[in-house]
Amino acid sequence: NAGVTQTPKFQVLKTGQSMTLQCAQDMNHEYMSWYRQDPGMGLRLIHYSVGAGITDQGEVPNGYNVSRSTTEDFPLRLLSAAPSQTSVYFCASSLSGAGYGYTFGSGTRLTVV
Amino acid sequence: TQLLEQSPQFLSIQEGENLTVYCNSSSVFSSLQWYRQEPGEGPVLLVTVVTGGEVKKLKRLTFQFGDARKDSSLHITAAQPGDTGLYLCAGVSSGSARQLTFGSGTQLTVLP
Repeated sequence: NAGVTQTPKFQVLKTGQSMTLQCAQDMNHEYMSWYRQDPGMGLRLIHYSVGAGITDQGEVPNGYNVSRSTTEDFPLRLLSAAPSQTSVYFCASSLSGAGYGYTFGSGTRLTVV
Repeated sequence: TQLLEQSPQFLSIQEGENLTVYCNSSSVFSSLQWYRQEPGEGPVLLVTVVTGGEVKKLKRLTFQFGDARKDSSLHITAAQPGDTGLYLCAGVSSGSARQLTFGSGTQLTVLP
């Protein structure tokens, strides 16, 4: 049981480049989310999905797109990378019932130069 | 926007001491979760508290959810070096989305 798998683990981008951060889970979880973690600021929600075909914006969605074509996959696309997007990105998934916690991936450390 | 204030931000103690981490908000959450994060890894769920006033114990860790479901605390008894890590509280929003609002975290270091 792999849990939540994120790729790549590390990435360096030049300003203006685009890329997709991959996230896959094999637990049949309905809920999936993307967070970014910056020093001293905890984790902030970027986008989330409550099921295949359904996505919504979180606290800091600007500059990012998501789609959820299958239950398993929830990729995060950076449209035109900016230095302010340098961060550690985490994907997480959860069952839909109350009381369930989220399972997090091991993160992608992104540097935009 | 729901906000969670977590304190203290940093805590360095000797092995065997007790400690408490606080998580406070002006908003009501449907439930509250505590996570622990190691360097280079994602957060790992420790506990979920759902009912106001609820107390849960996990070995030497005691978690409490405030009566009004706006605050929570994590108490560690007789801390050990293996308890070192970043502790995060996260409020769960009401409604179907069940999204998390995280506190800024408490970096705990337990010295041998």
